[in-house]
Amino acid sequence: TQLLEQSPQFLSIQEGENLTVYCNSSSVFSSLQWYRQEPGEGPVLLVTVVTGGEVKKLKRLTFQFGDARKDSSLHITAAQPGDTGLYLCAGGPPADYKLSFGAGTTVTVRA
Amino acid sequence: GAVVSQHPSRVICKSGTSVKIECRSLDFQATTMFWYRQFPKQSLMLMATSNEGSKATYEQGVEKDKFLINHASLTLSTLTVTSAHPEDSSFYICSARDQGAEQFFGPGTRLTVL
Repeated sequence: TQLLEQSPQFLSIQEGENLTVYCNSSSVFSSLQWYRQEPGEGPVLLVTVVTGGEVKKLKRLTFQFGDARKDSSLHITAAQPGDTGLYLCAGGPPADYKLSFGAGTTVTVRA
Repeated sequence: GAVVSQHPSRVICKSGTSVKIECRSLDFQATTMFWYRQFPKQSLMLMATSNEGSKATYEQGVEKDKFLINHASLTLSTLTVTSAHPEDSSFYICSARDQGAEQFFGPGTRLTVL
């Protein structure tokens, strides 16, 4: 099993502030995904990073994949209350397509 | 595209009864479907992997006789929680994969066992 460690576990910030969530592992991943989940709903895919060193932007969200493909980060600029949710990173061996999820980061953006 | 549905969205049952949860891929054929459970404030834990027409593969610690999985077609997988007990109360989420590696998640089913 490939383990993913996410930090921090909880983040509470004021609207307009920036935040960064980290996802680390001792294993190499062929790809990592970031999801956002709202209470009572399934996770929604935000992005998949594949190439070491890759940076992807999705509006105010910036995702980075480490050069060694062992870690990733999610940075949100000028956070808004609508960004509130549980952010999950996930990855797995390509052979069987199983996903291992990090423990998640609960982000709360206060208006 | 790539929509996955689950039914029911929430269910309450008495201890000892069995509950069936359906997972459907609405606009694609799912080569593989996965079942997860999620306890409050926790992440998703993979329970089993289901391939159409073959037996499900269960993760370590998951009782296959308690959590019966049937993947009868390329668009439908079912999870039956047999003889449910209060400790089985959880949020059950399925996902489906087509030919690619990406998984598409259903909206989840909240199971409460009284």
